[in-house]
Amino acid sequence: QAQLVESGGGVVQPGRSLRLSCAASSFTFSSYAMHWVRQAPGKGLEWVAVISYDGTDAYYADSVKGRFTVSRDYSRNTLYLQMNSLRVEDTAVYYCASVPLSGNYYYYPMDVWGQGTTVTVSS
Amino acid sequence: QTVVTQEPSFSVSPGGTVTLTCGLTSGSVSSNHYPSWYQQTPGQAPRTLIYSTTTRSSGVPDRFSGSILGKKAALTITGAQADDECDYYCVLSVGSGILVFGGGTKVTVL
Repeated sequence: QAQLVESGGGVVQPGRSLRLSCAASSFTFSSYAMHWVRQAPGKGLEWVAVISYDGTDAYYADSVKGRFTVSRDYSRNTLYLQMNSLRVEDTAVYYCASVPLSGNYYYYPMDVWGQGTTVTVSS
Repeated sequence: QTVVTQEPSFSVSPGGTVTLTCGLTSGSVSSNHYPSWYQQTPGQAPRTLIYSTTTRSSGVPDRFSGSILGKKAALTITGAQADDECDYYCVLSVGSGILVFGGGTKVTVL
């Protein structure tokens, strides 16, 4: 059964940076596109970013474009989200998730989800 | 800006059937949007029910089914149970790798 475990969340001041990690196991990480999704306290789900299975393509929500960067390390089976210039409105639980099909399916929505890591941006 | 619409809330009787919908403020939803549905209880990560319009995710009972109804995607829950009471989200793929979630539907079983 595919498993995803996020880490790296915490409390950070506005304008600072944070990097989230998502460790993948029990599936062929290199074959699946991966998403980041977030949920602000008491709010709905918001899609953040996706990276293709081979890392050549990445797409972002307008709300994070230019500030967040998604990447992946195949040697570590790990997905990352580098978050710069953080804002109070970036406060949320951040989930990583894989798509259901292997190959170039970066446009597919999520299937397997991690348990989430909490980011709090506050002065 | 693409806006995905969902009913804010819905009530269903135990054992009953409820159909939730997922639409666009401009245009129709089709299978090319790969509509997908997620269930979330408070404090928990989302759970995938349906992806790509009709495909049930692993382990999801056949009480949950997805379809296109008219201009919207739909999630139908049959034989509603008490633990179906939670939030349901749809998401659509709108092109250029972008996904957009609906605002979610809170389902009450009573």
